[in-house]
Amino acid sequence: GEDVEQSLFLSVREGDSSVINCTYTDSSSTYLYWYKQEPGAGLQLLTYIFSNMDMKQDQRLTVLLNKKDKHLSLRIADTQTGDSAIYFCAESLNYGGATNKLIFGTGTLLAVQP
Amino acid sequence: NAGVTQTPKFQVLKTGQSMTLQCAQDMNHNSMYWYRQDPGMGLRLIYYSASEGTTDKGEVPNGYNVSRLNKREFSLRLESAAPSQTSVYFCASSEEGGTEAFFGQGTRLTVV
Repeated sequence: GEDVEQSLFLSVREGDSSVINCTYTDSSSTYLYWYKQEPGAGLQLLTYIFSNMDMKQDQRLTVLLNKKDKHLSLRIADTQTGDSAIYFCAESLNYGGATNKLIFGTGTLLAVQP
Repeated sequence: NAGVTQTPKFQVLKTGQSMTLQCAQDMNHNSMYWYRQDPGMGLRLIYYSASEGTTDKGEVPNGYNVSRLNKREFSLRLESAAPSQTSVYFCASSEEGGTEAFFGQGTRLTVV
């Protein structure tokens, strides 16, 4: 089935690390993504990981993928107030020749306290 | 480069009215999507179009219709709006098999 779950809220202090977690149920995912949504705006891709990778690092962002447990996490090092936003986990599924279908989680609101 | 453009940005409808949300992309993408975003529920896929001339239902298609008018445009129609369709609607596009979906700025729809 298609189900992506996240916790709804995370609060951290500026300078600390943030870890946002996500679980998914469909093992046929090809790519897994993290999107960021700032208030009143659309979603922007932060980073993604291919399903045969365990880890990907991109500056302050580290993505960890545990395929066995179907668990994805996003770590933001040295979190800044500008990182305050909603973060969405998404998986890319491909069915019967149709192109990738993106399934999103509920989103995690990250609040960074100065 | 405009990316994905949605119109209108805001709309208020009365129950039973109809309207069409417009979406256009200038990136020559094959795939286009319509999502709705509701608090605590993330983005739910309404319909998607893998290529010009094809459309498929997503998770929550009831009460909606779509048209892939050409490669650039993918419209979402509400034939008889209901308060349950109050939401923020996002259009997105991606290359077939691509790793990134590009999103419009959203349409905030209120049905009273």
